[in-house]
Amino acid sequence: GAGVSQSPSNKVTEKGKDVELRCDPISGHTALYWYRQSLGQGLEFLIYFQGNSAPDKSGLPSDRFSAERTGGSVSTLTIQRTQQEDSAVYLCASSFGTVNGDTQYFGPGTRLTVL
Amino acid sequence: AQTVTQSQPEMSVQEAETVTLSCTYDTSENNYYLFWYKQPPSRQMILVIRQEAYKQQNATENRFSVNFQKAAKSFSLKISDSQLGDTAMYFCAFRPPYGNNRLAFGKGNQVVVIP
Repeated sequence: GAGVSQSPSNKVTEKGKDVELRCDPISGHTALYWYRQSLGQGLEFLIYFQGNSAPDKSGLPSDRFSAERTGGSVSTLTIQRTQQEDSAVYLCASSFGTVNGDTQYFGPGTRLTVL
Repeated sequence: AQTVTQSQPEMSVQEAETVTLSCTYDTSENNYYLFWYKQPPSRQMILVIRQEAYKQQNATENRFSVNFQKAAKSFSLKISDSQLGDTAMYFCAFRPPYGNNRLAFGKGNQVVVIP
């Protein structure tokens, strides 16, 4: 079936604006992850959704970052009042969410550039 | 938090030759999961191979194989018969056996296959 999809592919915004990034996980995957990939920091975990449980937000870098997952499927990552240091590639991944080390499958990412 | 270290930032290899990428990690856990992901210029993170720590046998996937040394906390990737399409960033990742299944990534190795 289809893989993880993300939109937009690229986003250029001005400092101070809000942005929304979208992720469509693989059908049937109950777990969804957001990661950030930046030049200086490598790949960082941001947030994790598993089914109907409360999300693990422990990786979000500030309260300007938030994420939702509607109906257990599509997720939106929102960055408010963007700053230049938010420029990065934002990667979404999904998995079956089983206990025994299930594999995460990644989308192509959204490259965010904050001017 | 687990630390994953990849110490060879860029490597070049002739087509059809073999290249080995090193990865070490730090954990006090006994059961965990290790992964190698490939990220070509398209930005898509693609799973190359995975290893369960409780398995002594090294994982193999076609031209890709690992040398898993649990006591040394080492997890190297060998690419045999390198092909031009293997040109990519390669990331080593660790997943603990509990919690939110988040992946801890190394900084990555750039592999360039030369014709």
